[in-house]
Amino acid sequence: DAGVIQSPRHEVTEMGQEVTLRCKPISGHNSLFWYRQTMMRGLELLIYFNNNVPIDDSGMPEDRFSAKMPNASFSTLKIQPSEPRDSAVYFCASSFSGLDTEAFFGQGTRLTVV
Amino acid sequence: QQQVKQSPQSLIVQKGGISIINCAYENTAFDYFPWYQQFPGKGPALLIAIRPDVSEKKEGRFTISFNKSAKQFSLHIMDSQPGDSATYFCAARVAEETSYDKVIFGPGTSLSVIP
Repeated sequence: DAGVIQSPRHEVTEMGQEVTLRCKPISGHNSLFWYRQTMMRGLELLIYFNNNVPIDDSGMPEDRFSAKMPNASFSTLKIQPSEPRDSAVYFCASSFSGLDTEAFFGQGTRLTVV
Repeated sequence: QQQVKQSPQSLIVQKGGISIINCAYENTAFDYFPWYQQFPGKGPALLIAIRPDVSEKKEGRFTISFNKSAKQFSLHIMDSQPGDSATYFCAARVAEETSYDKVIFGPGTSLSVIP
């Protein structure tokens, strides 16, 4: 398996524009997570899905952020409208629910909002 | 309180020395404590993990020590090498819904091993 695949790797956009980040989890995994990493706040869990259903979105910063998982092999994180403070590295991770589960992270998308 | 505290924020160790990173938590519902290692430009990757019914786990040069009563756990890297230079995250999984895998990360420790 190629691992968790995120696209794009880098995104530079202007303030006010819509940004869509994409994630393909590892085949067979049934949990998917979106994290945001910044120097100030570290690694924050934004939302996680189990069996394509959003379980906990309490980490989503505000209504400008939305995430979907239409099927087991694809998820998106959308920011509309984007703001400079959204600049961060966004990671997608997937795992298989179990006792000693391991979350596998993608390479991340570095988002810069100017 | 779903929070994991981690210290130090950064650490510089000489090659061959012991690196020690400490973490603490409050939520007794945590049931699984993984450590992740992250190199620049990469996503975090699982390094080693422990369950609270075990006081110590060792894998090669990496050892987790776990003190359930104190709600503290630590990572020891023996014979630290320059290749160990990375950011280390302790984490904890919430066991309230055992079929779900919500993992809370500590703020991270940037380790630099100098020759």
